[in-house]
Amino acid sequence: AQSVTQLDSHVSVSEGTPVLLRCNYSSSYSPSLFWYVQHPNKGLQLLLKYTSAATLVKGINGFEAEFKKSETSFHLTKPSAHMSDAAEYFCVVSPYGGGADGLTFGKGTHLIIQP
Amino acid sequence: ETGVTQTPRHLVMGMTNKKSLKCEQHLGHNAMYWYKQSAKKPLELMFVYNFKEQTENNSVPSRFSPECPNSSHLFLHLHTLQPEDSALYLCASSPGRSNTEAFFGQGTRLTVV
Repeated sequence: AQSVTQLDSHVSVSEGTPVLLRCNYSSSYSPSLFWYVQHPNKGLQLLLKYTSAATLVKGINGFEAEFKKSETSFHLTKPSAHMSDAAEYFCVVSPYGGGADGLTFGKGTHLIIQP
Repeated sequence: ETGVTQTPRHLVMGMTNKKSLKCEQHLGHNAMYWYKQSAKKPLELMFVYNFKEQTENNSVPSRFSPECPNSSHLFLHLHTLQPEDSALYLCASSPGRSNTEAFFGQGTRLTVV
């Protein structure tokens, strides 16, 4: 069994300040982990993925995430928020080290950027 | 653009209507998926097709009927829906069942009246 917990339903930061979106997971296997972003009225776009290679993963638009097995966490960060980052972010876990089959989604974190 | 196209983008239907949602990908992927996204709830996997064979049906009511005529096209046939079926329906594809990430379409916003 696997599950994902996104610890904050809403996060509000000022433009130019750091972003931290928190995610904890549980999985019976060595998981693959993903962060997806969804802008209003859009589909989901992959930001980054972890598949048992480097624990620090860099994604698009300046985002990165660090896989910490001891803490079962995969938090998403960005050094400086931009207005265009305002969106819904989903942490996702997949079993067996990779694969879109049986993706388990978190409930999402709504990121608000204050001018 | 992710390479996965869904039509229509918006659909309003009555509870006695029959309609179909369409998904198309030309990424050469072999697996396609239907997800349901409702307000305040996590995304729910509905159906999985791998090499045109349905491999998963997550206890979805029979008023939702998927069809995968080839590995590039996926349909979701709808009939006698309920208002609680109103949601964003997302299609996704991936190279295989256990291979890399999924690519999502922009979704069909369905409203059942």
